[in-house]
Amino acid sequence: GQQLNQSPQSMFIQEGEDVSMNCTSSSIFNTWLWYKQEPGEGPVLLIALYKAGELTSNGRLTAQFGITRKDSFLNISASIPSDVGIYFCAGPPPGGFKTIFGAGTRLFVKA
Amino acid sequence: DAGVIQSPRHEVTEMGQEVTLRCKPISGHNSLFWYRQTMMRGLELLIYFNNNVPIDDSGMPEDRFSAKMPNASFSTLKIQPSEPRDSAVYFCASIIWGTGFNEQFFGPGTRLTVL
Repeated sequence: GQQLNQSPQSMFIQEGEDVSMNCTSSSIFNTWLWYKQEPGEGPVLLIALYKAGELTSNGRLTAQFGITRKDSFLNISASIPSDVGIYFCAGPPPGGFKTIFGAGTRLFVKA
Repeated sequence: DAGVIQSPRHEVTEMGQEVTLRCKPISGHNSLFWYRQTMMRGLELLIYFNNNVPIDDSGMPEDRFSAKMPNASFSTLKIQPSEPRDSAVYFCASIIWGTGFNEQFFGPGTRLTVL
């Protein structure tokens, strides 16, 4: 079946550093979603992307929908300790109803 | 407004026992999803309902798992009999289907431990 491959699997960074993570698929997606899951909670939507090439920001977060429609990236600028969590990319494949989630990138921020 | 409500938040049971997880979706949402999250397999969709009707249960691992949605404000996921490999965090999520926007609102999850 369709899969979303996220990298890196985990990141250990210092507070204040910028973070970049990405997500790729072997097939095209029409929608890319980025979720964050904090410890003990369910995932929460951060950014939704709907058009190839689209670049969207949400505070210190910026995400882009790749031109090929097979990838997306998420950047976090000037990381802070509360950015800790698991970041998932997700999306419903074209013609599909189920949202597929990547395995997640675990972010650890050291103060 | 209250978000998706799940109960219990934690459940510890012994192998062979029946487990029932509960979910109350956000009022007005017409689709509900049950997910299971483990370190090994990540977030897996088990089943989803649209207007209280099960649409796709292909993710349900075995016949030991069953889910119901008797009305728009309540759903259950039952495991009978439970096994240690069922230990995971189970999430319920709801959505207003048909708006073209695919944001799923997740509950806080039920952490299930089967001994």
